[in-house]
Amino acid sequence: DVKVTQSSRYLVKRTGEKVFLECVQDMDHENMFWYRQDPGLGLRLIYFSYDVKMKEKGDIPEGYSVSREKKERFSLILESASTNQTSMYLCASSYYLTSGTSTDTQYFGPGTRLTVL
Amino acid sequence: KNEVEQSPQNLTAQEGEFITINCSYSVGISALHWLQQHPGGGIVSLFMLSSGKKKHGRLIATINIQEKHSSLHITASHPRDSAVYICAARYNTNAGKSTFGDGTTLTVKP
Repeated sequence: DVKVTQSSRYLVKRTGEKVFLECVQDMDHENMFWYRQDPGLGLRLIYFSYDVKMKEKGDIPEGYSVSREKKERFSLILESASTNQTSMYLCASSYYLTSGTSTDTQYFGPGTRLTVL
Repeated sequence: KNEVEQSPQNLTAQEGEFITINCSYSVGISALHWLQQHPGGGIVSLFMLSSGKKKHGRLIATINIQEKHSSLHITASHPRDSAVYICAARYNTNAGKSTFGDGTTLTVKP
């Protein structure tokens, strides 16, 4: 079974703190994703990575950065946390297909519920 | 405006009822993904389909490419089916990026 793990289930931080959210997958997936999920807004893509040291902005990258130094690990960084970054953060991974039609499944981690006070 | 729209937003059913959740998308896609999220739980992948129909147990997913529409059906619904069901459209790109619907909250009462 694919396993995607996230470093914390619940996290409480103060405004202005630097926050690291870690995600690890054990299936040698090329693609990794960070989403946030908010009531009424659904899942929104923050950043994704399709290879080590490669990253691309998603739909809402402002206020976030990412790091992918190893294939299995994808970190989301909040340089200076703000209250509007209180949310559920979900990491996912999938294979990278080069055929041009991607039917691979994304596997999600359990999520980290971050509260910024 | 979300490019992926789901209906209904909320659905309450009695145990045993047949349930349909709909998903429409606006442009051509390479695949459509149905996901399930239980309260407080993580997200589980149900189906990934690019044409036709897939079945797994009491769950059936269909897609009509010409109409840009997909449906998720649950037969003989059970209270444990209560969850949020999310569809995601995977566009014609190698990067694997998806656009997600807002989800349908299903409550099945005993």
